[in-house]
Amino acid sequence: SQQGEEDPQALSIQEGENATMNCSYKTSINNLQWYRQNSGRGLVHLILIRSNEREKHSGRLRVTLDTSKKSSSLLITASRAADTASYFCATEGAGSYQLTFGKGTKLSVIP
Amino acid sequence: EAGVAQSPRYKIIEKRQSVAFWCNPISGHATLYWYQQILGQGPKLLIQFQNNGVVDDSQLPKDRFSAERLKGVDSTLKIQPAKLEDSAVYLCASSRGSPLYNEQFFGPGTRLTVL
Repeated sequence: SQQGEEDPQALSIQEGENATMNCSYKTSINNLQWYRQNSGRGLVHLILIRSNEREKHSGRLRVTLDTSKKSSSLLITASRAADTASYFCATEGAGSYQLTFGKGTKLSVIP
Repeated sequence: EAGVAQSPRYKIIEKRQSVAFWCNPISGHATLYWYQQILGQGPKLLIQFQNNGVVDDSQLPKDRFSAERLKGVDSTLKIQPAKLEDSAVYLCASSRGSPLYNEQFFGPGTRLTVL
């Protein structure tokens, strides 16, 4: 079963704009990870945020985690056409090293 | 470092035939995973190995799917016999399997079409 649910399912923005994707999950987690998937590079790890962290940055990416609401958001600033891809959140349960993926958000960045 | 290797990249078979996929993880990665990704969905874990032992195969349809990881390195996933609903991309991933290094590295996947 899918643990995480991303919102929106699809997002289309102009190059240079910011893109925000949200993820909700159901059970307690050890960490939450975001992955990107496109036809050229397959599924690639973007960023990991642990359950005791609230915010994390990596380049143009900003991730927040609210464990009380069981939700996370991924912000991509100053988007580029190359950011066009599907973005998945994945949750890891305590001690399992297993990931449960959501259905993903399909992001289109228009040049 | 070299990434996760998978072969073949594409496979087309008739229903009721058998098929096998191969995965070579990143050197030194103790944990290996097989996922099934149906079009429009996120990857779903089929089986997880720690070295050459199975950690979790609760979502593996064992009546038709089997997997092994000999010598704790390469792994094969087999489907026998295949059904139409097995059409999907099969992804292999590996990780160090430690609390400090949870990132999973994915291979390019094998796209299976069952006719």
